[in-house]
Amino acid sequence: DAGVIQSPRHEVTEMGQEVTLRCKPISGHNSLFWYRQTMMRGLELLIYFNNNVPIDDSGMPEDRFSAKMPNASFSTLKIQPSEPRDSAVYFCASSLAPLTGNTIYFGEGSWLTVV
Amino acid sequence: AQKVTQAQTEISVVEKEDVTLDCVYETRDTTYYLFWYKQPPSGELVFLIRRNSFDEQNEISGRYSWNFQKSTSSFNFTITASQVVDSAVYFCALSEVSETSGSRLTFGEGTQLTVNP
Repeated sequence: DAGVIQSPRHEVTEMGQEVTLRCKPISGHNSLFWYRQTMMRGLELLIYFNNNVPIDDSGMPEDRFSAKMPNASFSTLKIQPSEPRDSAVYFCASSLAPLTGNTIYFGEGSWLTVV
Repeated sequence: AQKVTQAQTEISVVEKEDVTLDCVYETRDTTYYLFWYKQPPSGELVFLIRRNSFDEQNEISGRYSWNFQKSTSSFNFTITASQVVDSAVYFCALSEVSETSGSRLTFGEGTQLTVNP
């Protein structure tokens, strides 16, 4: 079975450019999460969706970040304009909800470097 | 607020040694789930185990075992006869439970385990 699929795996971009990260959750899962991992802050939740609806975006750093989930099989995380401090690994994850306590499965991550 | 603490930032052992990774959590929920994830040098996050707050039975899976003690709010992870391939960062995580919001994970800081040959 295919896991969570993220693209691109690696991206290097210049400050000020727009960055779009993409995610395909596990088929049948109806919760989707975007996490960011940095050395300073560890793993932090940016936003999560339930049935394609954003439930909590309180972790989104600022207005430069936006996330969408137009359908059950696709989500994007966009940063515009990007800044060097956005350099991090961005993980997409999915789980089956509302069954409680279900495991959250992670993609392989998108490694973003903003120079 | 939920919190997970992994006090051991780095652990270094020699192959075949047993090693225990500590995890202490805080939550006001009566129903919650605890997880361990492994992050090898390649970077992906690999699910290892999930336990619910009502099941305090210890679990063993091959060389891995987990000790859940609600009284001390701990969920420790032991690797028996460690191998070089066990070298990774290990994260403990706590899930708050809601039928409307699904399962949101709060992660600990992670423990970097290095197993030397």
